[in-house]
Amino acid sequence: DADVTQTPRNRITKTGKRIMLECSQTKGHDRMYWYRQDPGLGLRLIYYSFDVKDINKGEISDGYSVSRQAQAKFSLSLESAIPNQTALYFCATSDPGARALAYNEQFFGPGTRLTVL
Amino acid sequence: RKEVEQDPGPFNVPEGATVAFNCTYSNSASQSFFWYRQDCRKEPKLLMSVYSSGNEDGRFTAQLNRASQYISLLIRDSKLSDSATYLCVVISSGSARQLTFGSGTQLTVLP
Repeated sequence: DADVTQTPRNRITKTGKRIMLECSQTKGHDRMYWYRQDPGLGLRLIYYSFDVKDINKGEISDGYSVSRQAQAKFSLSLESAIPNQTALYFCATSDPGARALAYNEQFFGPGTRLTVL
Repeated sequence: RKEVEQDPGPFNVPEGATVAFNCTYSNSASQSFFWYRQDCRKEPKLLMSVYSSGNEDGRFTAQLNRASQYISLLIRDSKLSDSATYLCVVISSGSARQLTFGSGTQLTVLP
């Protein structure tokens, strides 16, 4: 089974609809992230959470909100979707463990392809 | 100017060729550097870290030039399975230690 899962994998919605993307992980990591990927722009950080009580805005948080329901779950919401939020969304986890590499490596879910019409 | 810049390619090379990618970063306070690999429509995965002294992992060699603020990835004896997009990733100083991704360089290895 995958360590980081995302649901749904694909979603087509209409402008103005509320959408929730969910992420679950079995890696036991405290840190979780939401990114979006657009062609030619690379991955950009939307929100990140270092533990259940710690939520932080990333580079492009406007139009998004998040909820960290438990260590293993981190949800991303689009309150009123707009077409320029059409993108590939990735959830990721990391563990600030003792080893430097473990501290920096992020493990990504398979992605959610969202289309807003 | 983007914080992390890469040549998007595409690089089309024959099997067995040697290919090199460069990546430049703008923040001189950047502390950690990585190469991630992303297959088409898949999630990124860590390929290797980039150390100041340079490091090698099999056919892959990563180099860091802090003075010129660039990192490189060299792939020797290219395989068909090396076809992917290679993402340059930089971590700047600060408590958040956020990753900043380049937009990626696309490599296709041809038979």
